[in-house]
Amino acid sequence: QSALTQPRSVSGSPGQSVTISCTGTNSNVGDYNFVSWYQQHPGKAPKLMISDVTKRPSGVPDRFSGSKSGNTASLTISGLQAEDEADYYCCSYAGSYTLVFGGGTKLTVL
Amino acid sequence: QLQLQESGPGLAKPSETLSLTCTVSGGSISTSSYYWSWIRQPPGKGLEWIGSIYYSGATYYHPSLKSRVTMSVDTSKNHFSLILTSVTAADTAVYYCARVQKSSDFVDYWGQGTLVTVSS
Repeated sequence: QSALTQPRSVSGSPGQSVTISCTGTNSNVGDYNFVSWYQQHPGKAPKLMISDVTKRPSGVPDRFSGSKSGNTASLTISGLQAEDEADYYCCSYAGSYTLVFGGGTKLTVL
Repeated sequence: QLQLQESGPGLAKPSETLSLTCTVSGGSISTSSYYWSWIRQPPGKGLEWIGSIYYSGATYYHPSLKSRVTMSVDTSKNHFSLILTSVTAADTAVYYCARVQKSSDFVDYWGQGTLVTVSS
């Protein structure tokens, strides 16, 4: 069960949009619409930002959106703000009641 | 408000056993809607799912850890536990307990995490 592939880092200026990709296989991302995204600030527990590929939990700004095409899921953050600077992790159901995470992406707001 | 709290030794010796407990408050562990999971994060690295347990005691483990992991649940104490045997330095990590939505397999609640260091 290999980790999902994410870019190590992305960056953008305040107000811009960035997209973080998450590439898996047809045994996880490609086969299930159970992709979730988490934001993690240093020293803190992760926080759910997106579930079920596209769903935003209550309290998550609508600047955050998710999508999926084939074996690749994506998280887009529009109107970047300083507080969005964090690590982001994707996660997918991988069958047989197992989960697999991505390696994480560090977002820098310039 | 649901809360999860990890507890256990912060230090383990190589080749010995790591044991952690997650106490759930503000809600019952005996619900069919959720799995209860352990997820770890080595220092400076990414998240790794270790395994999940259902309130009935059914368990599901990461394939690469399966031979060393045992999870259990005590519904009377509203807690679940992790045992990891034959630990090495590679098992040094922050260990999180978490609640996973059974319908869509996402983590909606996390514990604060506890650092376990494997060192002699």
